[in-house]
Amino acid sequence: AQSVTQPDIHITVSEGASLELRCNYSYGATPYLFWYVQSPGQGLQLLLKYFSGDTLVQGIKGFEAEFKRSQSSFNLRKPSVHWSDAAEYFCAVGPLNQAGTALIFGKGTTLSVSS
Amino acid sequence: GAGVSQSPSNKVTEKGKDVELRCDPISGHTALYWYRQRLGQGLEFLIYFQGNSAPDKSGLPSDRFSAERTGESVSTLTIQRTQQEDSAVYLCASSLWRGGANVLTFGAGSRLTVL
Repeated sequence: AQSVTQPDIHITVSEGASLELRCNYSYGATPYLFWYVQSPGQGLQLLLKYFSGDTLVQGIKGFEAEFKRSQSSFNLRKPSVHWSDAAEYFCAVGPLNQAGTALIFGKGTTLSVSS
Repeated sequence: GAGVSQSPSNKVTEKGKDVELRCDPISGHTALYWYRQRLGQGLEFLIYFQGNSAPDKSGLPSDRFSAERTGESVSTLTIQRTQQEDSAVYLCASSLWRGGANVLTFGAGSRLTVL
């Protein structure tokens, strides 16, 4: 079955500390992978995406993610968290080169930032 | 428009009433998606429209749910005889298929509360 697992429901990180949010996927086709962020009362904003090539991708707001095919993972990282990063983060997977198939989302990880 | 627009942003209704939620996608985007986000849950795919093709309705949870789209413009999600379990944020997204992979742009959502 196709699925996305985000093992951590809630993470608290001190401001200035590093962050890693985990994402594992199960997908039959060649995947493309996304991380979205959702601030309270807002829609989802795309942080970064991976289609092919360099397995370390850079996104907005200082985020990066690394695709590891052998581990079926696409973990999100940030070296120094800011209070404004507190939000909910969703990992998503979809098929490459297939028009218009809906993305499959994980259940999300809520990030809290402590001062 | 510049972004995906959804209305109403908030809707409170009584159990058993019908509701309509509207989505205005980004101009020129051929694909449109509806997702449901229940409290503390990930995004649940409902339905997808791609151009003039038959919609993918595989995610609709019951026959009380339906959606229409006029050409490549506005879409309406209708929930008949609402139940309390329908309370959720309904998110709409659109994308432009250019080969490779779909990048979905989301609206801010319509929060539905069924009393």
